[in-house]
Amino acid sequence: NAGVTQTPKFQVLKTGQSMTLQCAQDMNHNSMYWYRQDPGMGLRLIYYSASEGTTDKGEVPNGYNVSRLNKREFSLRLESAAPSQTSVYFCASAVLSRRLNQPQHFGDGTRLSIL
Amino acid sequence: KQEVTQIPAALSVPEGENLVLNCSFTDSAIYNLQWFRQDPGKGLTSLLLIQSSQREQTSGRLNASLDKSSGRSTLYIAASQPGDSATYLCAVTPFYNQGGKLIFGQGTELSVKP
Repeated sequence: NAGVTQTPKFQVLKTGQSMTLQCAQDMNHNSMYWYRQDPGMGLRLIYYSASEGTTDKGEVPNGYNVSRLNKREFSLRLESAAPSQTSVYFCASAVLSRRLNQPQHFGDGTRLSIL
Repeated sequence: KQEVTQIPAALSVPEGENLVLNCSFTDSAIYNLQWFRQDPGKGLTSLLLIQSSQREQTSGRLNASLDKSSGRSTLYIAASQPGDSATYLCAVTPFYNQGGKLIFGQGTELSVKP
């Protein structure tokens, strides 16, 4: 029972390089989310996908793009990495119901360093 | 704009003590409030979810309460154990959002000493 799987777990990039973070869930959840976690800042939402075929900006979307490839997969792309994007990135998924009474399930994160 | 605050940022207690973690939020228009646990180097694990119409939820030694009108929630941990050492985060789902988005507090890092 894998839950939410993120790849890679660690990555070091040089400024200006591009990269795609992968996320897949096997719980048949309809909504998926990308967060970043920085010291003293808590988790902040980058982008989310409420259902297959839709994506929307979160609190800190600048410098990122996303693709909801299918119901299972939601990728996050850094087109031109900057040192300010050094962070731990978490993917989450949930059953998005009308009552919003289902918790989000998180992956173990991708630790990304931009030099 | 909804803001979520957790105080204190860190807490150290001896094993066996009962303890309370605090979470406050500025806008009472929420669908729910969730408490998560995060172990070092790991993702978040959902502990309890309280709907806006509920006052509390319990799971084992954990009890979470919600006072929406005052913008406060507490997580009560009974008979704390060293295995409870982790960072605890609370998050709210704002009422106005359509995508189930969460707004997080910065977390309380709990250390339970044997």
